Amino acid sequence: GQQLNQSPQSMFIQEGEDVSMNCTSSSIFNTWLWYKQDPGEGPVLLIALYKAGELTSNGRLTAQFGITRKDSFLNISASIPSDVGIYFCAGRRNSGGGADGLTFGKGTHLIIQP
Amino acid sequence: NAGVTQTPKFQVLKTGQSMTLQCAQDMNHNSMYWYRQDPGMGLRLIYYSASEGTTDKGEVPNGYNVSRLNKREFSLRLESAAPSQTSVYFCASTWARRHEQFFGPGTRLTVL
Repeated sequence: GQQLNQSPQSMFIQEGEDVSMNCTSSSIFNTWLWYKQDPGEGPVLLIALYKAGELTSNGRLTAQFGITRKDSFLNISASIPSDVGIYFCAGRRNSGGGADGLTFGKGTHLIIQP
Repeated sequence: NAGVTQTPKFQVLKTGQSMTLQCAQDMNHNSMYWYRQDPGMGLRLIYYSASEGTTDKGEVPNGYNVSRLNKREFSLRLESAAPSQTSVYFCASTWARRHEQFFGPGTRLTVL
């Protein structure tokens, strides 16, 4: 199946620091999504990106759809304790209609040290 | 709105037993999905249903069957459970032509 390489695998940061993580692929994706998952819960959508080069913000979160269509980045500014969790990138190859599923990265585990 | 709901939340089975995982959404979404999540593997697509009356295989369909009962409900069945099917199962849904999938809280299944 498709592969999304997500890095870093885990991050240990101090509260207040900025966070950057990314997702890359050898294939082109036409949609990029970023999700956050808390322990024992399902993934929650943070940001959706539909156009190459698109930069979208959601509060302290900013994500970008890479121009090559093979990567995406998520930044979190001024981290707070509730940012702890696992962040997943997800991509969809096909453009236009259709409802085939998403391909997920393996996640970035964010841990915030007080 | 409850969003996407899944039952049961937890289940323990013995090898060879069968069971059905239930999923329902109240957002009038056309498309529904079943994923499994294993440690270090991210989420992998098992089956999906683009619309009522249609189902298609995903990346890891072996050992599973699905039924799109109506627009709201999409069930996943394990006919003869195996230890390799120990996982957390998530149901998701979305509108047609949109790709932001919304997930349920998951079913944690252990097969002994």
